[in-house]
Amino acid sequence: KNQVEQSPQSLIILEGKNCTLQCNYTVSPFSNLRWYKQDTGRGPVSLTIMTFSENTKSNGRYTATLDADTKQSSLHITASQLSDSASYICVVSLGSGNTPLVFGKGTRLSVIA
Amino acid sequence: NAGVTQTPKFQVLKTGQSMTLQCAQDMNHEYMSWYRQDPGMGLRLIHYSVGAGITDQGEVPNGYNVSRSTTEDFPLRLLSAAPSQTSVYFCASSYSGLAGAADTQYFGPGTRLTVL
Repeated sequence: KNQVEQSPQSLIILEGKNCTLQCNYTVSPFSNLRWYKQDTGRGPVSLTIMTFSENTKSNGRYTATLDADTKQSSLHITASQLSDSASYICVVSLGSGNTPLVFGKGTRLSVIA
Repeated sequence: NAGVTQTPKFQVLKTGQSMTLQCAQDMNHEYMSWYRQDPGMGLRLIHYSVGAGITDQGEVPNGYNVSRSTTEDFPLRLLSAAPSQTSVYFCASSYSGLAGAADTQYFGPGTRLTVL
């Protein structure tokens, strides 16, 4: 069964600190992996999309990595800000099928002053 | 460029009532979809459309209908609302929803629905 598991479920960090969120997937065939940020009460917003051949991709203070061999991805947030408080969702896209997106349940990040 | 818009933002229904959630996009995207988001669960696909006149079922289609008469609009209809349909509903669009495509998916702001 195609699955995307994210850890931790929730995380609290101090403003200015770095953090890393994890995503493990059992999806076949793999096409690409996406990270979304979802602020409370709003829709998800795309941060990065990585294909099989990409190991890392950055978007400002967000850096996503992908290890297709171990089927793991991480999202690293540098110098966190209060506005980074949100849920971060990992989504894996299949290479076949009519409904190719498999969603993780998300990690809830709280950045406190 | 408004992106993906949804109306209403909030709605309260009684069991058995029907209603339509509206979704529109102005990016000329072919692929549009509806998701529901419940606490502790990932986004789940209800219905999707790969172009005007073409719709198909997703993971949790029961109790919902869709149609796609234009590229821009993709309304979701609840036929007879049930408390189990209490959720937050998101509409999304992308240039292509085909397997293997790596184009960005844009989400609307969501509709929070409560069924009493």
